[in-house]
Amino acid sequence: GQNIDQPTEMTATEGAIVQINCTYQTSGFNGLFWYQQHAGEAPTFLSYNVLDGLEEKGRFSSFLSRSKGYSYLLLKELQMKDSASYLCAVLDSNYQLIWGAGTKLIIKP
Amino acid sequence: GAVVSQHPSRVICKSGTSVKIECRSLDFQATTMFWYRQFPKKSLMLMATSNEGSKATYEQGVEKDKFLINHASLTLSTLTVTSAHPEDSSFYICSAARGDNNEQFFGPGTRLTVL
Repeated sequence: GQNIDQPTEMTATEGAIVQINCTYQTSGFNGLFWYQQHAGEAPTFLSYNVLDGLEEKGRFSSFLSRSKGYSYLLLKELQMKDSASYLCAVLDSNYQLIWGAGTKLIIKP
Repeated sequence: GAVVSQHPSRVICKSGTSVKIECRSLDFQATTMFWYRQFPKKSLMLMATSNEGSKATYEQGVEKDKFLINHASLTLSTLTVTSAHPEDSSFYICSAARGDNNEQFFGPGTRLTVL
């Protein structure tokens, strides 16, 4: 079966760095997405990785290792507004998005 | 670019009535549109995938006759919840894929409450 694993909840301090991990087992791979979702709102796109390595975009970076079925989202200089759920999703061989359950990130002052 | 709108944003209806939700890609043509449902504190659950001019592909466990999807054009898809019941109360989100890297652009969601 297809499976995406990510931690349910994480807590971090304002100004710090946090890494949210995602491991996946899917039938085929055509890319991995990270989305941010604030409570009561739709997800917003953060990043897309299809090749191994680190993609940096401002305070957010995303890493992918296809051989390990592993990705992480790195958030630097955390701000209170970064409190949200972060969803990992993999595009499988049928170009279907397989979603993780999301990681709720709580930022404390 | 790549804006998706959804209407209405919030709807309250009586049990037994039907509710139509519209999803529009405003500045691009969507090769595929997706309908999701999300329960509180849960991840997105894909309900169906639709391509313009063809029948929607429903996920296992999703009733086709209850959740009617019409993909009238490359910029518009509608979801009709027929004979709604309180258990249909949920957050419904549509997304549209543009076809370059299959990134999905999400609408703002529709909060449905069935009394």
